[in-house]
Amino acid sequence: QVQLQESGPGLVKPSQTLSLTCTVSGGSMSSGGYYWNWIRQHPGKGLEWIGYIYYSGSTNYNPSLKSRVIIGIDTSKNQFSLELNSVTAADTAVYYCASMPWVVGATRYFDYWGQGALVTVSS
Amino acid sequence: SSELTQGPAVSVALGQTVRITCQGDSLRRYDASWYQQKPGQAPVLVIDGRNNRPSGIPVRFSGSRSGNTASLTITGAQAEDESDYYCNSRDSSGYYWVFGGGTKLTVL
Repeated sequence: QVQLQESGPGLVKPSQTLSLTCTVSGGSMSSGGYYWNWIRQHPGKGLEWIGYIYYSGSTNYNPSLKSRVIIGIDTSKNQFSLELNSVTAADTAVYYCASMPWVVGATRYFDYWGQGALVTVSS
Repeated sequence: SSELTQGPAVSVALGQTVRITCQGDSLRRYDASWYQQKPGQAPVLVIDGRNNRPSGIPVRFSGSRSGNTASLTITGAQAEDESDYYCNSRDSSGYYWVFGGGTKLTVL
């Protein structure tokens, strides 16, 4: 069973870059078969998909965040990462990493989630 | 605003059946998945896009889709089902993923 764990600073200053890492255990990322996602949840609000990366390095980002987001992958460490630049207080949220299995057809879903990492943007 | 619309809240008497709905144009083409989230916890997949339950999810959870509406049905709701529920699917372009705003389920 795949397990995911987010890590990174819990406090980021406005205008700086938010950086998080997700460590995957229970499977090798280099074997493919999964899209690796970042999802966030503003305090007391709903879920927002940020984007994903495939083991090959191909990415797909939410258009509303695309200009500020980079998702990277290091299959040798079984990790993928999130960078969100030029942050403001509006980026304060719990950030989750989640896996999305590749299946034949258009169906997709998030089967495993990390526990979440609260990131606060404040000076 | 989300391209998937959910009612903010629904209640059900213990042991009764409740349906939580999710509406959006993209649901005419694409399946929806459903997630349960308890306070302070990460979401948990309860129905995948093919209306299957992952291992460990009780049989009382089921999913369906008709027209522009996807539904999560809990048959015989239990106290532990009291949670927020989110639907997820592709957006109208088909290239990106969106969540519904969430529905808070209260079990009376």
